[in-house]
Amino acid sequence: QQQVKQSPQSLIVQKGGISIINCAYENTAFDYFPWYQQFPGKGPALLIAIRPDVSEKKEGRFTISFNKSAKQFSLHIMDSQPGDSATYFCAASITSGTYKYIFGTGTRLKVLA
Amino acid sequence: NAGVTQTPKFRVLKTGQSMTLLCAQDMNHEYMYWYRQDPGMGLRLIHYSVGEGTTAKGEVPDGYNVSRLKKQNFLLGLESAAPSQTSVYFCASSPRLAGGMPQYFGPGTRLLVL
Repeated sequence: QQQVKQSPQSLIVQKGGISIINCAYENTAFDYFPWYQQFPGKGPALLIAIRPDVSEKKEGRFTISFNKSAKQFSLHIMDSQPGDSATYFCAASITSGTYKYIFGTGTRLKVLA
Repeated sequence: NAGVTQTPKFRVLKTGQSMTLLCAQDMNHEYMYWYRQDPGMGLRLIHYSVGEGTTAKGEVPDGYNVSRLKKQNFLLGLESAAPSQTSVYFCASSPRLAGGMPQYFGPGTRLLVL
């Protein structure tokens, strides 16, 4: 129940295309869903986050779509660029509980020039 | 602000040796975390702290100990290193915010246990 399942494991997209990464969870007590971006040799950096009271959040080319009934959320990267090539992690947390994140296993994105 | 810093950046240990990884943050965050990252496994929580003087076990605590004597520092100790502890270790800190608690990560410590 504490797992967050992330797919795909890897993704190759042409420059200008849309990258889509999906995550699914079981625990309905989760109420904070961040996405992290990690470049090789660096620590993860917060990209965008959403709470379940909204169905979509957009920041620049990055959008989170949230489907509460399906217990799924996804990251969309519009107009993907070679500089977006990185590993992306979704996570889930219970903000009133133990303050811990449960991370997905990551998606390695490569954007071809 | 330096954010979250980790010392050392890289270390090689022999089986059975001990070491301490240091994490420091200058953002006055209440919460601090230690994760390990292994290929295909994502980030797994080792220990965490919700305030100075307090620590708690995460998902994979065996073989590790932690201390948080000062609010800005969180130490991760390996008393007797094993090859299974070869990994990249990340420290993170988080403020307590209503509506969500973003975690800010350090650059990582790469540990090789021979």
